[in-house]
Amino acid sequence: GAVVSQHPSWVICKSGTSVKIECRSLDFQATTMFWYRQFPKQSLMLMATSNEGSKATYEQGVEKDKFLINHASLTLSTLTVTSAHPEDSSFYICSARDVQGSLYEQYFGPGTRLTVT
Amino acid sequence: AQKVTQAQTEISVVEKEDVTLDCVYETRDTTYYLFWYKQPPSGELVFLIRRNSFDEQNEISGRYSWNFQKSTSSFNFTITASQVVDSAVYFCALSDSNQGGKLIFGQGTELSVKP
Repeated sequence: GAVVSQHPSWVICKSGTSVKIECRSLDFQATTMFWYRQFPKQSLMLMATSNEGSKATYEQGVEKDKFLINHASLTLSTLTVTSAHPEDSSFYICSARDVQGSLYEQYFGPGTRLTVT
Repeated sequence: AQKVTQAQTEISVVEKEDVTLDCVYETRDTTYYLFWYKQPPSGELVFLIRRNSFDEQNEISGRYSWNFQKSTSSFNFTITASQVVDSAVYFCALSDSNQGGKLIFGQGTELSVKP
């Protein structure tokens, strides 16, 4: 149980285009999902907390107009990188918290590798 | 402020050696959780352990063991008789009530186990 999927697993896009990444909880409901970004050889940095039915909360330094987050249902959150540039190339990982689980328990997706050319 | 420090950036050992990965954390909260994750080259995070601040008992799971010491704010991870498949980046992470469940990750330690 507690499976989180991400789609796509990898994507290559041209500079200036937008890319949407989906995060789904497959066998549980998630009122809260988290989006992380990981650059090569670096740690995971939290970008934003996504709450179902409300606006996402962004961490300091993350541009909310560039990284659009939508959490429209209890099993799906999407991250859209708008007007992507090469510096946005990174590994994006989501995690989800089971609505019936502990505040401190998150299940991670497999990640999406974004390359902007 | 909350912080997790993994001072060892890279560790290289030969198969069958024991290896300890260090993790030191900072938090003012009395209720918190500590985690270890493994990230193999595929990138997917693999959950290894979660430990709450009220449980200082050490834990052993097969070749893995964890030593939690509140007195030194450390949560170290030991792999006994390492294997090539243990090669990965290992992250220590902290979550406390002030963070609303958000995870704060350490910088990670890249472990390379050579045959």
